[in-house]
Amino acid sequence: DTGVSQDPRHKITKRGQNVTFRCDPISEHNRLYWYRQTLGQGPEFLTYFQNEAQLEKSRLLSDRFSAERPKGSFSTLEIQRTEQGDSAMYLCASSPAVSTDTQYFGPGTRLTVL
Amino acid sequence: AQSVSQHNHHVILSEAASLELGCNYSYGGTVNLFWYVQYPGQHLQLLLKYFSGDPLVKGIKGFEAEFIKSKFSFNLRKPSVQWSDTAEYFCAVILDTGRRALTFGSGTRLQVQP
Repeated sequence: DTGVSQDPRHKITKRGQNVTFRCDPISEHNRLYWYRQTLGQGPEFLTYFQNEAQLEKSRLLSDRFSAERPKGSFSTLEIQRTEQGDSAMYLCASSPAVSTDTQYFGPGTRLTVL
Repeated sequence: AQSVSQHNHHVILSEAASLELGCNYSYGGTVNLFWYVQYPGQHLQLLLKYFSGDPLVKGIKGFEAEFIKSKFSFNLRKPSVQWSDTAEYFCAVILDTGRRALTFGSGTRLQVQP
């Protein structure tokens, strides 16, 4: 399968714990995006990388959230001291670095904070 | 602030009926427009996109959308729906300001009855 992959697919954690999600983009896609989707809503943008550089961050990305893409390939999204309000589907997308790029989405990681 | 509005939250149609889902955005400049679909249990997939040129865009599975700049609209249409079109449909926009973040509408749940 050459699509965007995410791991884990589901994560249940207790409030206050730290969690980390991984995203592997489509091979050779320079751009990588993280979004968050809650029930009944469309995805909301969190952050975006071009290669290793984090070029955009949403105001939704509080200090408890951090994302990295150290070698310009896979990315990780860490949430520290999780809160119940962090429960959501976390989506990753990737795209080639062209002006007419299209973002291709992965299956998401569903986080449940108890 | 830029927003995307999808006025129909839940649409129920019989097979062979025609479909039109509304999408409006609020931004006075150049935009890139997208429709994504999420079938039950699957990840977001691109249906069609508009960057420039012919405002009538054809996508996969018989879908099309028309960009009407004066109305800030990008409505999705299909002349005859099938049961397999049951899914959630999201309109999304990228501002032509150098940002890459997609802003999504809240989605329309389409239910096609056989």
